[in-house]
Amino acid sequence: EVQLVESGGGLVKPGGSLRLSCAASGFTFSSYSMNWVRQAPGKGLEWVSSISSSSSYIYYADSVKGRFTISRDNAKNSLYLQMNSLRAEDTAVYYCAREAVLNIWGQGTMVTVSS
Amino acid sequence: QSALTQPASVSGSPGQSITISCTGTSSDVGSYNLVSWYQQHPGKAPKLMIYEGSKRPSGVSNRFSGSKSGNTASLTISGLQAEDEADYYCCSYAGSSTVFGGGTKLTVL
Repeated sequence: EVQLVESGGGLVKPGGSLRLSCAASGFTFSSYSMNWVRQAPGKGLEWVSSISSSSSYIYYADSVKGRFTISRDNAKNSLYLQMNSLRAEDTAVYYCAREAVLNIWGQGTMVTVSS
Repeated sequence: QSALTQPASVSGSPGQSITISCTGTSSDVGSYNLVSWYQQHPGKAPKLMIYEGSKRPSGVSNRFSGSKSGNTASLTISGLQAEDEADYYCCSYAGSSTVFGGGTKLTVL
């Protein structure tokens, strides 16, 4: 079964850091680009970042550029999002999703930034 | 990276058809045939319903169809069913970024 499972969410204070992980299974992870998409409580979807299959191409939304870093380990079938200098407005459910068409999504992991 | 424009809500009765519009610019929707649509039920992850403007993934009902004209994409759902009640989001490739619409809440009356 093709599956993505996020982890690493939690409560963090403003200015703090958090690292999210996304474990992939059921497909050849190294062949696909990957994305992070977030959804603030009661709000719409917001694309955060994408990374190509070999990590050659990396893109970020303006709202997170300079604070977040996307990476992947194809040997471990895993995608990561390092989040630094967190703000209250980063509070959201963070989803990982496969390919540019976002055809497979994980269940999401909640990140809450609050003092 | 401005959001695409969708109506906040649409509604229809069972069996009817509805269309949700998604308006972008010449930098996103108008430049690429890479618009996709997602269905999201409360508390669930989004599900891909349409990609590349009009293609349906395996397993998605043919009641769902997509189209594009200029800077506006559209999702049409025919033969509305109760289970279609959900939030719908459009999404477009925009060069070095991806942009979503604000979402449309579909109510089946």
